[in-house]
Amino acid sequence: AQTVTQSQPEMSVQEAETVTLSCTYDTSESDYYLFWYKQPPSRQMILVIRQEAYKQQNATENRFSVNFQKAAKSFSLKISDSQLGDAAMYFCAYRADGLTFGKGTHLIIQP
Amino acid sequence: NAGVTQTPKFQVLKTGQSMTLQCAQDMNHEYMSWYRQDPGMGLRLIHYSVGAGITDQGEVPNGYNVSRSTTEDFPLRLLSAAPSQTSVYFCASSLGLANSYEQYFGPGTRLTVT
Repeated sequence: AQTVTQSQPEMSVQEAETVTLSCTYDTSESDYYLFWYKQPPSRQMILVIRQEAYKQQNATENRFSVNFQKAAKSFSLKISDSQLGDAAMYFCAYRADGLTFGKGTHLIIQP
Repeated sequence: NAGVTQTPKFQVLKTGQSMTLQCAQDMNHEYMSWYRQDPGMGLRLIHYSVGAGITDQGEVPNGYNVSRSTTEDFPLRLLSAAPSQTSVYFCASSLGLANSYEQYFGPGTRLTVT
C-alpha cells in the first residue's frame, strides 16, 4: 500500500517570502501521479499542482512549483511571493485507485 | 455546470440511526469516490466507483455501503451510525480511473454522531 508523509504539521512564513512544504511517499509503482491540494477554511479541496512521475521536469503553476525527486520519493511544494490568500491546509496526495493523502501542513502567512 | 454537489451540508445523528449522504455530478464523469476527513488527518478513501453498476472498497469501507445506479449519482449509506463515524465526508469525481485525471471535490458534509 502506498503511504504519504508530511512531516511539518505547521509552517509560518512572512508575506512575500518563499516557503517550501515537504512530502515523501512510498510506492512500488514506476508510473504514477502526485498532487498538492489546498484546503482553505471553507474546507473546499482545491488542486494546486500535479506531477507525472515519468516526467523529469518539475511542474510549475504561477507562484507554485514542485521539487520532484523520484529516486528519493520526495515531492516538495515551493510557494514564492507568499500571499495572505495562501493561508490554508496543504495536502500532498498520491493517486492509485483513489487518492492517498498525507496528514497535511497548516500554512500560516504573517502580514 | 454545478460540478460536484453534496447534500446535506450538516447532519446530526444518534447512534444506531441510518442515513444516506447524497452526491451528484453533472460532468459525465465515470469515476466517483467518497472520502472521510478526521481532525489531524488527510482524507481517506471509503469507496469508489469506476462506472454505473461497479463499486469497490477503499481504505476505510467498514460501516458504509454504496451503489451506483446512474453515472450522475453516488450515494453513501450509513446503516447504523456510530460515534466513530463523526467526520467530514467528501465526494469526488473524475473523467476516469486513470491517474492523470484531476479529481473534483464536492463541498463536504459535516456529520456528527452522538
